[in-house]
Amino acid sequence: GENVEQHPSTLSVQEGDSAVIKCTYSDSASNYFPWYKQELGKRPQLIIDIRSNVGEKKDQRIAVTLNKTAKHFSLHITETQPEDSAVYFCAAASFSNTGNQFYFGTGTSLTVIP
Amino acid sequence: EAQVTQNPRYLITVTGKKLTVTCSQNMNHEYMSWYRQDPGLGLRQIYYSMNVEVTDKGDVPEGYKVSRKEKRNFPLILESPSPNQTSLYFCASSLSAAVNTEAFFGQGTRLTVV
Repeated sequence: GENVEQHPSTLSVQEGDSAVIKCTYSDSASNYFPWYKQELGKRPQLIIDIRSNVGEKKDQRIAVTLNKTAKHFSLHITETQPEDSAVYFCAAASFSNTGNQFYFGTGTSLTVIP
Repeated sequence: EAQVTQNPRYLITVTGKKLTVTCSQNMNHEYMSWYRQDPGLGLRQIYYSMNVEVTDKGDVPEGYKVSRKEKRNFPLILESPSPNQTSLYFCASSLSAAVNTEAFFGQGTRLTVV
């Protein structure tokens, strides 16, 4: 099956700086890569996703890049704010006629220091 | 309001006593899944369902059962819970099983097995 690795496990940045979280995956059939944000005590919520036919996607201060050849994708948050503090999860999934499984990374705890 | 509802939110039970965690969505979503979240391990998929009467094993299905008799409901059944199933459980649903789209998560169920 798929193996998703996520780094770093913890990340502290000063308010206003950028944060980058990286994930690698093993299954070349994976074609959907979402990122979820989970605030303390709350449910995960989608912040951005990218499909395998796209190399980069941006939504205001958040961007995701995908390198299919190298099998890695990254989340970039610019101009970080204290409310960006949360745990971030990457995931990889592939739809096939045998099923549609999601594999999550182990999470990155981001702290934005005011 | 569009939502995924899990019950109960918190549950403490004893080893071997069968329990069911319910999950219901009101968005007419095809795809539903169950995850467990453990420190340092991220979210791991237990079971998923592509549609009514179609269920498949995820990454960690041992000790769990599911059913999908109706589109809106996807209960998670622990026939004989053991302490290693103490975890935070999330149900999630997505619009389509054929094209990966945003997963909406329930509020979570914190289960303790003693």
